[in-house]
Order: sequence, then C-alpha cells, then structure tokens
Amino acid sequence: AQRVTQPEKLLSVFKGAPVELKCNYSYSGSPELFWYVQYSRQRLQLLLRHISRESIKGFTADLNKGETSFHLKKPFAQEEDSAMYYCALGGAAGNKLTFGGGTRVLVKP
Amino acid sequence: DTEVTQTPKHLVMGMTNKKSLKCEQHMGHRAMYWYKQKAKKPPELMFVYSYEKLSINESVPSRFSPECPNSSLLNLHLHALQPEDSALYLCASSRGTGEGTSGNTIYFGEGSWLTVV
Repeated sequence: AQRVTQPEKLLSVFKGAPVELKCNYSYSGSPELFWYVQYSRQRLQLLLRHISRESIKGFTADLNKGETSFHLKKPFAQEEDSAMYYCALGGAAGNKLTFGGGTRVLVKP
Repeated sequence: DTEVTQTPKHLVMGMTNKKSLKCEQHMGHRAMYWYKQKAKKPPELMFVYSYEKLSINESVPSRFSPECPNSSLLNLHLHALQPEDSALYLCASSRGTGEGTSGNTIYFGEGSWLTVV
C-alpha cells in the first residue's frame, strides 16, 4: 500500500531563515514523488516533481530511496511562501496519487 | 493552456436534490480525476478515468456518480447527499496513465465548494 507521512502539521519560520518540510513515503514499486502547494484560496499547484530535479521558487527536493524521503528545502524563506504544502506519491497502476497530511508553513516578517 | 476548469465554484444543495459538478480540460490529457478535500485535510481520491473509462473507484458511495462524456469533460452527478459530504471537490487531469512515466504530473482545477443542507 502507498503511504505518505508529513510529520509536521505546522512550520513557523522567520523571513530569511531556512525551511525544511519533511516527507517520508512507503511504496514497494518505483515511486514518483511530487510537492504540491496550496496558497490561500487558490488551486492546488504542482511545485516540484522528483523526476525533473528542478528548483522552483528557490525550493529543492531530493529523493532519497534509502531513507524513503523526499524533503523540501528552501535556504531563505519569503513571506509569500506561506501556504499549505503537500507531498504526494504516484506510481501505482492507474495513476493513483496519494497525498501526505500536509504541512502549513507560516513565514513571519 | 494548462487549466482545468470546474463549474460551479459554489453549490448549495438539499439532501433530496440532484445536481452535477462539471470539469473541462483542453490539454489533451487522457486521465481525469475526482478528489474530495475536507477543510485542512489533504485531497482524497474518489475516481480515475483513463481514456474515458472508469479505472479506479475508491469505494465511493453510489450517491456520487461520475461520468466522462468525452476526453475533455468529466462530470460528477450528486444525488441524495448527506451533510458530511460537504467539501471541496477537485477535478484533475494528467497526460499519462501509467506507472513511472513523466506524464504522471497531475493538474488540478480550483474546485467546487459543495454544501449539503
């Protein structure tokens, strides 16, 4: 069975500080990992996917298969980064995307 | 155009009503999805359509009935809902339909806020 765990429900950091959102997954096949972001009153948007290994809005995430983790990092948080972040696992037959419980990030001025 | 469009944005319905949520995408995606999201919770998968055929039903009650008239449209027919069905209903689509392909990126609509009274 697929499972995604985001241990922190809330992360509060000051502007300019580093932020790291943890994500661990459980899956027996070849995983595809994503980070989605949901700003207040906006649609769920794709932020990153591990397969493209890109950096978006200063965020990066590395898939660590040994630790089954896909943590999201940003060295210098900005106030506009305040949002809900969901880690998601795909890869099962039929395109089933499983979300973690989400982490709310609050960046204080 | 990378948009998934959902209508209506807001819907209030009684428990005896019949209503429908509609979703449209013109990205040529062959997989379409319905998710349900309760407040402060992650989206939960309800249905997946692949090439206009229902491929996944996550044990959703029959009062929710999906329909895929063509590759661009996805409907969710609602009948005899309960107050606990009140939630944000998200439609999504993706190019790919298989495991481990880069086409698995899923794009979401803004959602339809449903209130059952």
